[in-house]
Amino acid sequence: TQLLEQSPQFLSIQEGENLTVYCNSSSVFSSLQWYRQEPGEGPVLLVTVVTGGEVKKLKRLTFQFGDARKDSSLHITAAQPGDTGLYLCAGAPYSGGYQKVTFGTGTKLQVIP
Amino acid sequence: NAGVTQTPKFQVLKTGQSMTLQCAQDMNHEYMSWYRQDPGMGLRLIHYSVGAGITDQGEVPNGYNVSRSTTEDFPLRLLSAAPSQTSVYFCASSYERTGPRTEAFFGQGTRLTVV
Repeated sequence: TQLLEQSPQFLSIQEGENLTVYCNSSSVFSSLQWYRQEPGEGPVLLVTVVTGGEVKKLKRLTFQFGDARKDSSLHITAAQPGDTGLYLCAGAPYSGGYQKVTFGTGTKLQVIP
Repeated sequence: NAGVTQTPKFQVLKTGQSMTLQCAQDMNHEYMSWYRQDPGMGLRLIHYSVGAGITDQGEVPNGYNVSRSTTEDFPLRLLSAAPSQTSVYFCASSYERTGPRTEAFFGQGTRLTVV
């Protein structure tokens, strides 16, 4: 089983601050996804990165896939209370279908107004 | 659009009882799966299906059964509930043919407590 470690596990910040969440593995992935999960809901896809070194921006969120395709980061600029939730990364290997996707342990973010 | 619908949202069971968690999707997705989510452990795959009549085991299948008689429905059965099965359960679906780079759609989850 490929493991995905996320850090930090918990993060509590004030509105307006910047933050970065990390997703690391010793395994190489063909693609990596980031999901956000709000309390009482299922995860919802934010982005998929597929190329080593790729950077994708989604409004105030910036996602980067590591050059070696083993890690990824999520940077949030000027965090807002609406960003509160659990952030999960999910890595897909080069072979196998969706059943081979590995989910990270999650980063729980709280943005205080 | 309904997407992925799970029922019930909450359930309390006594040890040894059995029950079925329901999951239905209206997106004509080939791939459906069940995960359990426990604190600090992420989402772990229980069982999955790549189409009607086809199911297989995931990472943590013991104590659970599934069937896939139609494309839309993928119920998860707990045979004899144990306290270790206390968790939040998520059903998900996606387009199998386009591979794991495509989006997985999740239901709202079922919070199960076994006492």
